[in-house]
Amino acid sequence: ELKVEQNPLFLSMQEGKNYTIYCNYSTTSDRLYWYRQDPGKSLESLFVLLSNGAVKQEGRLMASLDTKARLSTLHITAAVHDLSATYFCAVDLYNFNKFYFGSGTKLNVKP
Amino acid sequence: GAGVSQSPSNKVTEKGKDVELRCDPISGHTALYWYRQRLGQGLEFLIYFQGNSAPDKSGLPSDRFSAERTGESVSTLTIQRTQQEDSAVYLCASSLTRGGAYEQYFGPGTRLTVT
Repeated sequence: ELKVEQNPLFLSMQEGKNYTIYCNYSTTSDRLYWYRQDPGKSLESLFVLLSNGAVKQEGRLMASLDTKARLSTLHITAAVHDLSATYFCAVDLYNFNKFYFGSGTKLNVKP
Repeated sequence: GAGVSQSPSNKVTEKGKDVELRCDPISGHTALYWYRQRLGQGLEFLIYFQGNSAPDKSGLPSDRFSAERTGESVSTLTIQRTQQEDSAVYLCASSLTRGGAYEQYFGPGTRLTVT
């Protein structure tokens, strides 16, 4: 079974700082998804990464995928309080049509 | 346009009772997924539908759990003889196609509390 590990699980940072969330997975896949979840809310899709070397950016967030290393990163640039949320990465196995989610990284950006 | 909707938003039930959770996907989305999220944890994949077919039910936690889908429309997740460990938020998502290059759109979830 595919395992997806995120680290750190908790991240407290000051506004204006940069940081990276890591997502490792155990089985070959070239599809990686990042989601955001605010407290008490559902998941919002952030990025869909579909190939090795894929990089996508939206505002202060940038996601990348290295399928050879089975690693995706979510980089936060000059964090602001509004980015406080839990971030999940997910991997799917096309042949099996299952999605596997990481445990999530709870980000708290202090004003 | 309308997103994925789920009902009820909250459900409190007594241990041993049956519950039925409903999901209305985005119109035109052929794939539909059910997940369970326990408090403070990640998402646990339960089942997916392509149309009204569910090829893989191995994610369902026990035989007390079942799911159906009508065509490419509404789906229901039924939990029989609920147990306290069933307490969680049940999330439904839909996408244009199974797995694939299409992202999932999530509903707001049903918070189930078994007392």
